[in-house]
Amino acid sequence: KAGVTQTPRYLIKTRGQQVTLSCSPISGHRSVSWYQQTPGQGLQFLFEYFSETQRNKGNFPGRFSGRQFSNSRSEMNVSTLELGDSALYLCASSLEGSYEQFFGPGTRLTVL
Amino acid sequence: GQQLNQSPQSMFIQEGEDVSMNCTSSSIFNTWLWYKQEPGEGPVLLIALYKAGELTSNGRLTAQFGITRKDSFLNISASIPSDVGIYFCAGPRWNNNDMRFGAGTRLTVKP
Repeated sequence: KAGVTQTPRYLIKTRGQQVTLSCSPISGHRSVSWYQQTPGQGLQFLFEYFSETQRNKGNFPGRFSGRQFSNSRSEMNVSTLELGDSALYLCASSLEGSYEQFFGPGTRLTVL
Repeated sequence: GQQLNQSPQSMFIQEGEDVSMNCTSSSIFNTWLWYKQEPGEGPVLLIALYKAGELTSNGRLTAQFGITRKDSFLNISASIPSDVGIYFCAGPRWNNNDMRFGAGTRLTVKP
């Protein structure tokens, strides 16, 4: 069974731009969560999607948004990028009702 | 911010030694998860714990769910160089599916 895939793996943007990251969950997993990982703040929960609906949201500004498609693939978008948005963005998928999340390799975003 | 206090922050050990790390919280958790992350990769799930007092092993790894539901421990026996990485504890808060992660324990194993 293929693991969680994320594209792109690396991205360089400038302040003020926007970015869209993509995540394909493990087949059969309908829950997709997104995390931001930085050296200073560690792993922080962004949001969780299930059946195309946002089920939980972390404490991030509205510039961070996401969506999930009918095939469970998910995208997250960050608008008006700031230098502090530079981070590894991780996507994780899980079976319905399970807390066991399986992570993708992440997208390394650098904002210049 | 994070609500899981993980210690130690880092460990430098000799190959063959045993390792112990722990995670504590002021809040109750109903599930504890332990992950390992290697450079350039996402975290990999090692062990999941669901009941207070539960002790679960995965090869040389053993983890325990604390009786108070506010802590968990991970032990690695007879460490080897490929154990190098950052180990994270995680869990959804009681009555809240918001997944929290500890700051991680960075493990270095000298051959």
